[in-house]
Amino acid sequence: DTGVSQDPRHKITKRGQNVTFRCDPISEHNRLYWYRQTLGQGPEFLTYFQNEAQLEKSRLLSDRFSAERPKGSFSTLEIQRTEQGDSAMYLCASSLEFDRGYTFGSGTRLTVV
Amino acid sequence: GIQVEQSPPDLILQEGANSTLRCNFSDSVNNLQWFHQNPWGQLINLFYIPSGTKQNGRLSATTVATERYSLLYISSSQTTDSGVYFCAVVGNDMRFGAGTRLTVKP
Repeated sequence: DTGVSQDPRHKITKRGQNVTFRCDPISEHNRLYWYRQTLGQGPEFLTYFQNEAQLEKSRLLSDRFSAERPKGSFSTLEIQRTEQGDSAMYLCASSLEFDRGYTFGSGTRLTVV
Repeated sequence: GIQVEQSPPDLILQEGANSTLRCNFSDSVNNLQWFHQNPWGQLINLFYIPSGTKQNGRLSATTVATERYSLLYISSSQTTDSGVYFCAVVGNDMRFGAGTRLTVKP
């Protein structure tokens, strides 16, 4: 197992387009988290899954954002009708249990032009 | 939600110096981790330390859960230690502090 993988590493899109990011967690981890990080700030929680169930969503996750984890393995994060304010690093993490250590992926850097 | 405060926000050191980074949190937590974010944005896990003291080479961390703080010690700093250090705590989910930006000068 090579850790948490995210794809793509970088994405440049025009305002108004839809984008989708993928996260592959560590295989035995049943919890998967999405975070967003803007320049100079710490990562902010967006949402998390336990297996295939989405258990919590932050108020930061507007209606344009949707996340899925259909088979309890990989997850996708889709942003519809992107805005310039969506430009950020999107980070995925996984953990075995809620109170155990989190492992982060390398992130997907989104630039909306 | 849980508030996480890190200090100092910025720290500049000469190579070889020691430093202490602090993390205060506002409520009981199940887990606390220290991360180093490298220039490419990767968050590298340094310590999983809900309580007690751990050491890994030149780095060590102490969490006093009853007093709601954690400290990260860096000894004999090197230029490669530069970057942003984050403390993150887990209540229902993981919340990050704003980070300490460390610059180690040769």
